[in-house]
Amino acid sequence: RKEVEQDPGPFNVPEGATVAFNCTYSNSASQSFFWYRQDCRKEPKLLMSVYSSGNEDGRFTAQLNRASQYISLLIRDSKLSDSATYLCVVNRGSYIPTFGRGTSLIVHP
Amino acid sequence: NAGVTQTPKFQVLKTGQSMTLQCAQDMNHNSMYWYRQDPGMGLRLIYYSASEGTTDKGEVPNGYNVSRLNKREFSLRLESAAPSQTSVYFCASSEEAGVYGYTFGSGTRLTVV
Repeated sequence: RKEVEQDPGPFNVPEGATVAFNCTYSNSASQSFFWYRQDCRKEPKLLMSVYSSGNEDGRFTAQLNRASQYISLLIRDSKLSDSATYLCVVNRGSYIPTFGRGTSLIVHP
Repeated sequence: NAGVTQTPKFQVLKTGQSMTLQCAQDMNHNSMYWYRQDPGMGLRLIYYSASEGTTDKGEVPNGYNVSRLNKREFSLRLESAAPSQTSVYFCASSEEAGVYGYTFGSGTRLTVV
């Protein structure tokens, strides 16, 4: 089993839809978690951290389920500009993070 | 506020040539990283430097060397480029990676022919 797994998609949704991605991780000792957004041919940019209590930022909600070892990202009221690849990152407390391969989201009119 | 600056943005090399990718950050971060990103493979760590004066291998270090020149700068060298090193290279830095995440440079698109 890969250390961090994501469904590559693409998730193809209309504007205004709600969409959710999951990211599973294999190491139960993982300590911190993040979601990044990467636009085509650009660098990844930090979207949000994922806390044990969950985290909400506008239309975006991130949650952590330690028992089932996954994190999730929920996007409400999708915009065309949300089209991107979403990467999850799992950190075991060392300096070495592990990136998922990303989930592609396409929001269409 | 420049963040993480990488040079060059694009490069074409012939097999066997050498080159150095430069990375500098102005955020006073302790840790710096070099990744490569290939289609379908995601981001793979080449080398990292937890602090000034230290460097360690990541997942795919073969064919590369690094230098942490000072706290700001972390360079990646290809001694004898191979077509398999055709990729997009990203430099990143972090103050405390587990807490704050990473800031990436805009990348270097390298083609080895």
